[in-house]
Parts: sequence; structure tokens; C-alpha cells
Amino acid sequence: DVKVTQSSRYLVKRTGEKVFLECVQDMDHENMFWYRQDPGLGLRLIYFSYDVKMKEKGDIPEGYSVSREKKERFSLILESASTNQTSMYLCASSPPDRAPFFGQGTRLTVV
Amino acid sequence: RKEVEQDPGPFNVPEGATVAFNCTYSNSASQSFFWYRQDCRKEPKLLMSVYSSGNEDGRFTAQLNRASQYISLLIRDSKLSDSATYLCVVNSMDSNYQLIWGAGTKLIIKP
Repeated sequence: DVKVTQSSRYLVKRTGEKVFLECVQDMDHENMFWYRQDPGLGLRLIYFSYDVKMKEKGDIPEGYSVSREKKERFSLILESASTNQTSMYLCASSPPDRAPFFGQGTRLTVV
Repeated sequence: RKEVEQDPGPFNVPEGATVAFNCTYSNSASQSFFWYRQDCRKEPKLLMSVYSSGNEDGRFTAQLNRASQYISLLIRDSKLSDSATYLCVVNSMDSNYQLIWGAGTKLIIKP
């Protein structure tokens, strides 16, 4: 079974803090993704990566950055957390042109 | 027009009934289609890929109608455990790596 593991299920951070969300997959997948999900809006792509050290902006990259130093790990960084970044964050991985598998999600609250 | 549209529901259906919902997509060149299931406060999980010829997995049947640009999901003999939100996903022709997600259709199976 594919396993995608996110470092935290729940996180509470203060406005202005730098926040790191970590994601690790164990299936040697080339593609990794970070999404956020808000009620009524569906999943929105923040960033994706198709190889080590490669990254592409998704639909809503503002306020975020990513890092992929190793194939199995894809990190999402909120440079200066704001209340409008309160959301469910979902990491996913997939082989090329295949359906992604998701981690359990991180529910981030910025206060 | 949104690229992928779903009726948000909720669909309230008695246990044992058959229920179907559709998902329309705007790009006629799209090639990959998937249905995911998402339980409340959990991550999306792949339910089925959708093939041109249609495909069936137990009580679930997925169909693709290219002429009218929609995919459908049919659930027969519905169970209480089928209660979830069903997400439709279509690949983006702007990028080989990106998928376009519908906002989901909520299904509630009542005893």
C-alpha cells in the first residue's frame, strides 16, 4: 500500500510565524503535490514537484514556498502565516499520469 | 464556466436505493478522469479511474460521455457506509502534472 505521511494532523500557529509542513512518501513516486481544501472551494493546488529540486507553481502559490531535496520528501513552507491561511492542507504523490494518493491532511489554524 | 462542475447536493437517499451523479468538464481534450471519495475531515481516497469504455467495481459503475463532456458515477444497493463526498477529477491539458478537482457531491444514505 502507498503511504503518504504528513508530519502533523493538527497545528495551531500565530500570525507571522514561519510554518513548516512536512510530507513523506514511501513509493518512490516522481510527482508530489501540496493542496489546500476549504469548504465549498474544493482542492486547490499550491505547488507541485515532478522531480527532486524541481517545483512548479499551482493555482495559489502566493504566501507559500516548497522544498524537495529528496525524492521522498516534499515540504510546504508558510513564510509568514496569516489568518487566511487557516485551512486543511493535503499532500499527495503519484507516478506520472496516474491518480495521486493523499496523506491524512494537516488542519492548520492561524490565530 | 468552471472547468469541472458537480452538483454539491446533498443527495439524501434511502439505504438500498440506486443513486447516480454527474460531473461535467469543459476541456474536450482531457484524457484522464477519476472519482474520489472523501469522508468528513479525512483525506480523499481514489474510488475509481474512468475509462472510455466505462468500468464497474462491485456496486459502483463509472461512465464517460465524451460527446457531452461528462462523467458519471452510479452506486447500486447503497449502504450507510457510502455516505461521503464524491469528488470528480479531470486532468488539465495545460500541464501533464495538474489535475482539476470538482468541489464534490455530498451523499447521505438514510436508514
